[in-house]
Amino acid sequence: NAGVTQTPKFQVLKTGQSMTLQCAQDMNHNSMYWYRQDPGMGLRLIYYSASEGTTDKGEVPNGYNVSRLNKREFSLRLESAAPSQTSVYFCASSRRDTETKGYTFGSGTRLTVV
Amino acid sequence: EDQVTQSPEALRLQEGESSSLNCSYTVSGLRGLFWYRQDPGKGPEFLFTLYSAGEEKEKERLKATLTKKESFLHITAPKPEDSATYLCAVQGGSQGNLIFGKGTKLSVKP
Repeated sequence: NAGVTQTPKFQVLKTGQSMTLQCAQDMNHNSMYWYRQDPGMGLRLIYYSASEGTTDKGEVPNGYNVSRLNKREFSLRLESAAPSQTSVYFCASSRRDTETKGYTFGSGTRLTVV
Repeated sequence: EDQVTQSPEALRLQEGESSSLNCSYTVSGLRGLFWYRQDPGKGPEFLFTLYSAGEEKEKERLKATLTKKESFLHITAPKPEDSATYLCAVQGGSQGNLIFGKGTKLSVKP
């Protein structure tokens, strides 16, 4: 019962480098989300996908792109990393975007941009 | 604009010392208020959803309550293993996504 799996768990990038954070869920959920968590800021939504084939911007989308590859997988791409993108990134999923029974979160990717 | 404010930012208790965490919110058309627990280095873990004022839910030493403006997470006779950051989030009618507060870091000393 894996739930939501994120890779990698840790990553260090140099300013200007690109990378893709991977997320996969095995619960047959329709909706998936990317959040970032910074000290003193709480969890902030970057992008979400209400269903396969759709993606929408959240509160802090600048500098990021996403791809809903299929129902299971939702990736987050940083095209040109900046120090301001140093953060812990969480992927989450739910049965639908209006789900009131809570999201299931992955264990996070800790990203440092130097 | 939907908003969630949690207080206090940090709370230190002795084992067995009961207390409450507060979550104040403003949202247009509340669909649900959520409580999550987050341990260091891990993702948030779902605890409760409350849907309407007056509703209460319990799980072991935790009890969550909801009014029209705030929610409380009551911790009765806490143990060191209850130490974690507790997150509150709301889901409003204007959009389906969760809006999170900044959390309360709870430390329970033996």
